[in-house]
Amino acid sequence: DTAVSQTPKYLVTQMGNDKSIKCEQNLGHDTMYWYKQDSKKFLKIMFSYNNKELIINETVPNRFSPKSPDKAHLNLHINSLELGDSAVYFCASSQTGSIKQPQHFGDGTRLSIL
Amino acid sequence: AQKITQTQPGMFVQEKEAVTLDCTYDTSDPSYGLFWYKQPSSGEMIFLIYQGSYDQQNATEGRYSLNFQKARKSANLVISASQLGDSAMYFCAMTIIQGAQKLVFGQGTRLTINP
Repeated sequence: DTAVSQTPKYLVTQMGNDKSIKCEQNLGHDTMYWYKQDSKKFLKIMFSYNNKELIINETVPNRFSPKSPDKAHLNLHINSLELGDSAVYFCASSQTGSIKQPQHFGDGTRLSIL
Repeated sequence: AQKITQTQPGMFVQEKEAVTLDCTYDTSDPSYGLFWYKQPSSGEMIFLIYQGSYDQQNATEGRYSLNFQKARKSANLVISASQLGDSAMYFCAMTIIQGAQKLVFGQGTRLTINP
């Protein structure tokens, strides 16, 4: 009964490769997010989708392309991976208009670029 | 733009003592929400407590309470009777009510509870 699930949990790959991270939520929320946590533990928003529509794109390189096939899923595809992409990527979800309700986070995907 | 500042990179506390984790924020928007999240060494983000900018009373959730001082723009987390399991990174975050409700995070504080 996991609320926000991400796969894979770990991703180790070579520089220059293309990889995807999948995220699904079963909370019935209409908004989903991708956050990046760097090596210093700093968390920063990357993207947000509301009902499959992109509403936040925080100056992320266009090698990163989110896709939301429906409001329960938000995937992240990364092309031409670079060393600086090594980080933990968190998916989250929330319900628009319910600011008191916290964003629910997945367990994160640890991406390591060799 | 919103900004969150956590000035304590690390805190060390004896078990059973109370601990206060500092958080100051900056926003020009009058309507906002403040959150605290816990990230244990296993990596997941756990929601702890929420405070709305218009809430008259300080939020409390079990052993967690939020010392909200709006004029000072501070939202400190107080953990009473600390336990070994409280050892973790703690993040203060905020969002504004209007528009896309992204969370803006502080740098985090690593709390270590000593037995």
